[in-house]
Amino acid sequence: GAVVSQHPSWVICKSGTSVKIECRSLDFQATTMFWYRQFPKQSLMLMATSNEGSKATYEQGVEKDKFLINHASLTLSTLTVTSAHPEDSSFYICSAREAGLREQYFGPGTRLTVT
Amino acid sequence: GENVEQHPSTLSVQEGDSAVIKCTYSDSASNYFPWYKQELGKRPQLIIDIRSNVGEKKDQRIAVTLNKTAKHFSLHITETQPEDSAVYFCAATWERASKIIFGSGTRLSIRP
Repeated sequence: GAVVSQHPSWVICKSGTSVKIECRSLDFQATTMFWYRQFPKQSLMLMATSNEGSKATYEQGVEKDKFLINHASLTLSTLTVTSAHPEDSSFYICSAREAGLREQYFGPGTRLTVT
Repeated sequence: GENVEQHPSTLSVQEGDSAVIKCTYSDSASNYFPWYKQELGKRPQLIIDIRSNVGEKKDQRIAVTLNKTAKHFSLHITETQPEDSAVYFCAATWERASKIIFGSGTRLSIRP
């Protein structure tokens, strides 16, 4: 089946620093990748949708200058949390979808803790 | 805008009994409805999905029903087992849509 990986699985950083999270589709070409944030005991909240080779589309309320998304290839998308603050601490999950298909496959998530 | 409501938020059932989780969606153009199971600290896993041209779909102990007129869809788990304990999310999307809209989740606990 389709496999999506994320790296790192967890990261602790200091307030004010930037953190990059990678999302890779391992056995298929992901024309679209999605980035979600999930706070404890809450649902997945879509942050942005990225299509390979084009700018990401951000959901309302998500700061594009704070959450930088790059989808440079059909197998890799990155999310950079810039100038991280403690309130950015969350579980970040990516998902990927192949062209023409509706199913999304999720990565294992990255737990970010900002101290 | 698009919205998916999910009930109940928590559900506790005796092992062996059935569990039912219900969702409603707002956009009548929605035509694909996946269900995900998420264990603590792990990724959501697709467990079953249904398209709008079908009213019911079953896969062993789990089934999903869809009422397009009422814009309702439900997940049914029969003969529940301890390993069914998890958070379940319904979702909806539509033709040509890029994104999936998730429900708020149901925390299912199976009592031994």
